[in-house]
Formats: sequence, structure tokens, C-alpha cells
Amino acid sequence: EVQLVESGGGLVQPGGSLRLSCVGSGISVSKIWMHWVRQVPGRGLVWVSRINKDGSRRDHADSVKGRFSISRDDARNTLYLQMNSLKAEDAAMYYCVRDFVGPEDLWGRGTLVTVSS
Amino acid sequence: QSVLTQPPSASGTPGQRVTISCAGGSSNIGRDSVNWYQQVPGTAPRLLIYTTSRRPSGVPDRFSGSKSGTSASLDIGGLQSEDEADYYCTAWDDSLQGYLFGTGTAVTVL
Repeated sequence: EVQLVESGGGLVQPGGSLRLSCVGSGISVSKIWMHWVRQVPGRGLVWVSRINKDGSRRDHADSVKGRFSISRDDARNTLYLQMNSLKAEDAAMYYCVRDFVGPEDLWGRGTLVTVSS
Repeated sequence: QSVLTQPPSASGTPGQRVTISCAGGSSNIGRDSVNWYQQVPGTAPRLLIYTTSRRPSGVPDRFSGSKSGTSASLDIGGLQSEDEADYYCTAWDDSLQGYLFGTGTAVTVL
């Protein structure tokens, strides 16, 4: 089955760090735009970050700029989101998205991040 | 405008036409294309419309999108029970250098 599988979520204290991973199964996450989108359960969608086809461009939402960093390991077919200096407002379900808003748009099932002391 | 505004809810009976609006500004909808997602609660979003009016493979043709100036619309023609879900518009914002999502619209099939 073609799918994206996120992992790495969990409970972390404010100020802590987490690294989310997204592995492509039956599908490549390299040489294509990859994104992270988050959603507080019961609330709306929020775009977080993106990385371009060759990794030369990375964009982040203002709310996470300087704290989050998107990256990719083509050999491992894996997308990452390094999240530092976590705040309570970063708590959400984080989705990995391949070809966001493109004809081959594909979302993972998400990994839940909880920020609490 | 740094947000995309949608009505919080919309409803219709089976077979009716429902239109959802998405209001933006000159730095987003006014200069770039609009995309629409459908999300059934508890599941990941599904792309319905990209580049303002194109449908990905597998999306029924009762879903259509359009844009005029700084606003966009999603039309659901011939509403069906499985269309009951939340709908979000999204567009790139050139000033913010990031994507914006709309506030979301919950569609109910009466």
C-alpha cells in the first residue's frame, strides 16, 4: 500500500525538543516538494513547513521560524521536522504531506505532539 | 489580509447545490491559485480542487472551484450524504511566504 507514515510524536515539556519523521512506503519522498501541516484536534489546519525538490529551499511559517527545521534524507526515504523550544501552542497532530496542493497530493495519518509540564 | 475567511457552516438537502466562499486578499488569492480540501473528522484531509479549478483523479465532477479577484468558491453540485465534512481553502501568501488555510466550513447534509 502506498502511504506516508509519521512517527516521533509524544509528550514533551515546554522548552523541550522533538524530531518527527515521515517515511514513504511504496512511494518516494525525494525529488518532490514535501510539507508539514498541523492541526489541533477539533480546530483548523495550519501549514508549518516545506522543502523543495532538491532540498535547496526551505520555508517555515512565522509561528515556528527559528525553532523548527525541515529536512530530508533521500537514502532513507524519510522527511524530518526538528522542533526545538516547544511551546504549549505547538501541541497538535502533525501531518506529513507529499506534493501538497498538487495532483499527487498524499497525506500521512499524522503523529500527535503534546506539550505539557 | 493574513487570513482566509470562510463561513463556519453550510447545509443542504440531498441533491441540492451548496457553495462555500473563501475571502482573502491581494497577497494570496488575489495573485495565486486556490486549493480546496475535504476533511471527515478523525481522518486526514483529502484534496478536492487544486490550481483553483482542477480536480485530482478520483474526485467526483460535482465538486468545482472558481475564483474572482480576492475571493474563491467551492461548489458542491448534487449534494450527497458522504459530502458531510469540513472544507478548507488554502493559498500561498506572497507577503508571508507561506501557505494560509481558510477558517473552515462544516457542511451538513439535512
